[in-house]
Amino acid sequence: DAGVTQSPTHLIKTRGQQVTLRCSPKSGHDTVSWYQQALGQGPQFIFQYYEEEERQRGNFPDRFSGHQFPNYSSELNVNALWLGDSALYLCASSTSRRGYGYTFGSGTRLTVV
Amino acid sequence: QQQVKQSPQSLIVQKGGISIINCAYENTAFDYFPWYQQFPGKGPALLIAIRPDVSEKKEGRFTISFNKSAKQFSLHIMDSQPGDSATYFCAASMENYGQNFVFGPGTRLSVLP
Repeated sequence: DAGVTQSPTHLIKTRGQQVTLRCSPKSGHDTVSWYQQALGQGPQFIFQYYEEEERQRGNFPDRFSGHQFPNYSSELNVNALWLGDSALYLCASSTSRRGYGYTFGSGTRLTVV
Repeated sequence: QQQVKQSPQSLIVQKGGISIINCAYENTAFDYFPWYQQFPGKGPALLIAIRPDVSEKKEGRFTISFNKSAKQFSLHIMDSQPGDSATYFCAASMENYGQNFVFGPGTRLSVLP
């Protein structure tokens, strides 16, 4: 049973560009959450998608946007990239059932130069 | 109030020793407290979790101790092994209709052979 799949694994972008990261949730999961993990820090919650809508959002600017598709997969888009956006971007999937199955992918390492 | 504090930042333990990592939180609405283990290049993986209605939970060599009145919880790793060398994150969430975690800054554990 495949877990959470993220693509690409690594990415280099230039300041000011836009980037799209992709996530396929674990089989049976319907909720996708995105986190940003800067080097040497804990993950920070960006937003969560359920039923193709943004359900919760952390303290991130509007440059960060997302989408969830009918098959529950999700995209994270970041516009006007800053150097400070360089981080590991983690996707986590879960079910809408309370407390079960929160699973992280291995992440996408984004470097902004 | 959303912050989770974690100490120490790094920890070196001899093989067979006990590793202890401490966390503290402010938001009394938090009702789920997991610990995650992260190896380099991988996403965080759930190690063990506790809810505030119990003071201790043990799974194998891993034990969480929870002090609700002090708003503190800790991870104890008994008989630490070199394979336990990783970064450990405590986290907290409110289990409404979707868990989103506030993570501590992490503890880098090194177990010497």
